Amino acid sequence: DTGVSQNPRHKITKRGQNVTFRCDPISEHNRLYWYRQTLGQGPEFLTYFQNEAQLEKSRLLSDRFSAERPKGSFSTLEIQRTEQGDSAMYLCASSFGRPDSYNEQFFGPGTRLTVL
Amino acid sequence: SQQGEEDPQALSIQEGENATMNCSYKTSINNLQWYRQNSGRGLVHLILIRSNEREKHSGRLRVTLDTSKKSSSLLITASRAADTASYFCATAVNTGFQKLVFGTGTRLLVSP
Repeated sequence: DTGVSQNPRHKITKRGQNVTFRCDPISEHNRLYWYRQTLGQGPEFLTYFQNEAQLEKSRLLSDRFSAERPKGSFSTLEIQRTEQGDSAMYLCASSFGRPDSYNEQFFGPGTRLTVL
Repeated sequence: SQQGEEDPQALSIQEGENATMNCSYKTSINNLQWYRQNSGRGLVHLILIRSNEREKHSGRLRVTLDTSKKSSSLLITASRAADTASYFCATAVNTGFQKLVFGTGTRLLVSP
């Protein structure tokens, strides 16, 4: 399977704990995106990487959130001191970026986080 | 924040019928895309229409775009039970960096 993969698929944690999610994009894709989706809503943009550089962060990404893409391949999203409001589906997408044209984003299956 | 809203929020039809969903957005865009989401396959890209296009077809899908009204519609013809899913429109304001802004979605149920 050469699609975008995310691990784990489900995570249940207690409030106050730290969690880390991983995203493996399609291998030749240089752009990677994180989105968050709450129940009954559409996905909301969190952050974006071009290769290893994090180029934009949404104001939704509080200080408790950090994302990395150390070698321009896989990415991790860490949430520290989780709160019940962090419960959501976290989606990763990747694309092959050419600056002058649209680049379709391919989405992974998501990681569903439940904070008790 | 969401870019706009889909209408209706939920739609229930019989197999073979057509389904029409509408999307409204707030800002100027470079392109508008429609995605389908179900529990089995996650978010899947369906079709993209650029801001200088008015209509686009792909198989049983027909998308229209009215930039003066900041709205788009997705028509699925001859629907099948497998079309049951949530459908989202998403807008992008740039050509290169595609920060997608999604709407709230339409939940479509197609009954056999």
